[in-house]
Amino acid sequence: ILNVEQSPQSLHVQEGDSTNFTCSFPSSNFYALHWYRWETAKSPEALFVMTLNGDEKKKGRISATLNTKEGYSYLYIKGSQPEDSATYLCASYTGTASKLTFGTGTRLQVTL
Amino acid sequence: GAVVSQHPSWVICKSGTSVKIECRSLDFQATTMFWYRQFPKQSLMLMATSNEGSKATYEQGVEKDKFLINHASLTLSTLTVTSAHPEDSSFYICSASSLALSYNEQFFGPGTRLTVL
Repeated sequence: ILNVEQSPQSLHVQEGDSTNFTCSFPSSNFYALHWYRWETAKSPEALFVMTLNGDEKKKGRISATLNTKEGYSYLYIKGSQPEDSATYLCASYTGTASKLTFGTGTRLQVTL
Repeated sequence: GAVVSQHPSWVICKSGTSVKIECRSLDFQATTMFWYRQFPKQSLMLMATSNEGSKATYEQGVEKDKFLINHASLTLSTLTVTSAHPEDSSFYICSASSLALSYNEQFFGPGTRLTVL
């Protein structure tokens, strides 16, 4: 994988459903993987910065896992609520590029 | 997290005019600020990195004479789109970071929607 890729592009779930999405990134020269939540007309909000293979982080109902050897991260949302509706971005930071490289995001819509 | 503001949130201008966008870190000293651009259905693309008091470093393919970046203080960076043309219409967003943060952690502003007529 050369670029950061996220799937699915968009997702529509009912309130109470649990959901997850994927971020794939280049595994060579890996330093860190960032997850952001971006609500419309607001600033992207940092959720997690993950660095270690096998790392798992949690913030309320949202959690993320990291596999640096195969180059992927999963973001999980348990019991989705309408306020979880946002675009979720991931970005990788490598020693080669020395900058954040973003995916195109997964747009989540949670309805009642 | 830290708060970063951006002004204006949207701007419409005529072709050939210049537009200045401000990015401010409100509650921390940003030694480094980043400017990104996002076209529809694409990812945030880094345009340039600026360190306080020094010249910005531009990414390949970004014209430094067209996109002027000034980072004169630890709380303010500006991006000026000079002689704007319709193809410059895009969403511009800044972020701020500091030496105290690790792994290139960045705090983002809310972005500026530029439309060039």
